[in-house]
Amino acid sequence: GAVVSQHPSWVICKSGTSVKIECRSLDFQATTMFWYRQFPKQSLMLMATSNEGSKATYEQGVEKDKFLINHASLTLSTLTVTSAHPEDSSFYICSANLREASTGELFFGEGSRLTVL
Amino acid sequence: AQSVTQPDIHITVSEGASLELRCNYSYGATPYLFWYVQSPGQGLQLLLKYFSGDTLVQGIKGFEAEFKRSQSSFNLRKPSVHWSDAAEYFCAVAPRGGGNKLTFGTGTQLKVEL
Repeated sequence: GAVVSQHPSWVICKSGTSVKIECRSLDFQATTMFWYRQFPKQSLMLMATSNEGSKATYEQGVEKDKFLINHASLTLSTLTVTSAHPEDSSFYICSANLREASTGELFFGEGSRLTVL
Repeated sequence: AQSVTQPDIHITVSEGASLELRCNYSYGATPYLFWYVQSPGQGLQLLLKYFSGDTLVQGIKGFEAEFKRSQSSFNLRKPSVHWSDAAEYFCAVAPRGGGNKLTFGTGTQLKVEL
């Protein structure tokens, strides 16, 4: 099956620093990747849709200047949390769809846990 | 407004017992329907999905789900639960023709007693 890998799986950083999280589709090309945020014991909230070669589409309420998304190739999307603060601590999950697949063929990464001190 | 409701936040069952996790949705038209499972600290794994056709869908790990249009429901079932099934289960929907934007329910935490 299709594999989506995230790196790092967990990261601890100081307040004010920036953190980059990578999402890679290992054995398929993904024209679209999605970034979700999950608070403890809560559901996943879609943050943005990342399209290869174009600007990301952010959901309402998500600060695009704080959560920078880059989708430079068909196998890699990155999420950079800029000037991180403790309230940004969360579990971030990406997903990708198979380029040639129909709606719903989404594959999720293992998630990246960010802790901001 | 579009929404997905999982009425049960926590469910505890004995190993070997049957399981049913509820999911109701509110959508303008029947969306695509999914069930995902998440183990602690892990990403999501797709259990099954419904696009069209047979309303009883078979998935992995012995799970099945039944789509009932009249009840706007897509309940997940398993005849005999194993201890390894303990996890968080999410129901999700995506609009037909609207890309892959999933809307998730709040999740149901399943605990399995040995």
